[in-house]
Amino acid sequence: DAKTTQPNSMESNEEEPVHLPCNHSTISGTDYIHWYRQLPSQGPEYVIHGLTSNVNNRMASLAIAEDRKSSTLILHRATLRDAAVYYCIPAAPASGGSNYKLTFGKGTLLTVNP
Amino acid sequence: NAGVTQTPKFRILKIGQSMTLQCTQDMNHNYMYWYRQDPGMGLKLIYYSVGAGITDKGEVPNGYNVSRSTTEDFPLRLELAAPSQTSVYFCASSYPGRNTQYFGPGTRLTVL
Repeated sequence: DAKTTQPNSMESNEEEPVHLPCNHSTISGTDYIHWYRQLPSQGPEYVIHGLTSNVNNRMASLAIAEDRKSSTLILHRATLRDAAVYYCIPAAPASGGSNYKLTFGKGTLLTVNP
Repeated sequence: NAGVTQTPKFRILKIGQSMTLQCTQDMNHNYMYWYRQDPGMGLKLIYYSVGAGITDKGEVPNGYNVSRSTTEDFPLRLELAAPSQTSVYFCASSYPGRNTQYFGPGTRLTVL
């Protein structure tokens, strides 16, 4: 599994953009980069994933470096509900019906100030 | 859809007692997973299943057993509870080949 490095914590103000960085310098060529988040006292929740190109969905954007050794999760306008632990997880794709195992590190605790 | 449901929400066990944590999903997912999360840490995979009748060990399987007799249910059994098993347990499910795992709300277990 690729090693990841994320800041332990970050702080943002409500309605401002947030850029959450992740370094994954040992990522393999076939690993997708997944982001999950965990709200207080809840199970993790899928946010976004990508392979090489930048990706957007209704929750966030994912910017992937050209060499794929780092990525950034972008929340365009942080809300109080975005306060959570954010996990960056490189993982190989499932193929031929094999499972898709995710390895969760400690993640980044995002605090959003009103 | 209820998604992934887990029971109980909370439980306190004495050392040496046994219990089963229940997990059910109504999304017809083939893949199911059990994780544990210790305070301040990330999740660790205990067991997973790629379909009814098929299970395999994850990163931290010792002290646990699983079975998968139906697509919907994936119970986790603790036979002889130990204080080291005090944790929050999450069940998850996914489609084969999909990147998204759907998690339940968790069971908070304390072993005294």
